[in-house]
Amino acid sequence: KAGVTQTPRYLIKTRGQQVTLSCSPISGHRSVSWYQQTPGQGLQFLFEYFSETQRNKGNFPGRFSGRQFSNSRSEMNVSTLELGDSALYLCASSRAQGARYNEKLFFGSGTQLSVL
Amino acid sequence: TQLLEQSPQFLSIQEGENLTVYCNSSSVFSSLQWYRQEPGEGPVLLVTVVTGGEVKKLKRLTFQFGDARKDSSLHITAAQPGDTGLYLCAGAISTGGGADGLTFGKGTHLIIQP
Repeated sequence: KAGVTQTPRYLIKTRGQQVTLSCSPISGHRSVSWYQQTPGQGLQFLFEYFSETQRNKGNFPGRFSGRQFSNSRSEMNVSTLELGDSALYLCASSRAQGARYNEKLFFGSGTQLSVL
Repeated sequence: TQLLEQSPQFLSIQEGENLTVYCNSSSVFSSLQWYRQEPGEGPVLLVTVVTGGEVKKLKRLTFQFGDARKDSSLHITAAQPGDTGLYLCAGAISTGGGADGLTFGKGTHLIIQP
């Protein structure tokens, strides 16, 4: 059974640009969550999608957005990149809505984004 | 303000020693999970504890959830180099309506030296 796949693995952008990250969940999983990981702040919750609808959102500015497709694949977009957006972006999939229902989360290897 | 405080932040010990990692909060969690993350990879779930006072064992790892569901500990017996990694605790706070994201601690960087 294939795991969670995130593409690209590495990305280098400059300030002001926008970026789109992709996440393919485990087959049969309908929930995808996105997290930002930095050395200073650790892992922080961005948002969760279930059945193509955003179910919950963390405390991030509107420059961070996402969507989920009918096949459960998800994309995350960051517009007007800032230096502080440099981070490892992780997505996690679960069968159903994740944290609140104690669903087991399976993480991808992440996309390492560097903003210059 | 970090909702989940993990300690110690860094720990380097010799193979064969025992260690305990702590995860503390002033908030009550509906459940708490422990993950291990290796360089270049995403976190991998080790265990989920749900009931206050619950103890779970996974080979040489023992996980405990506090009675008040505000804290947890991870104890490793006879640590081995393969235990090296970043250990993360994560809690689910149920605030009602919809799914809530996990709140992660900043992690404990553990190095087991041969």
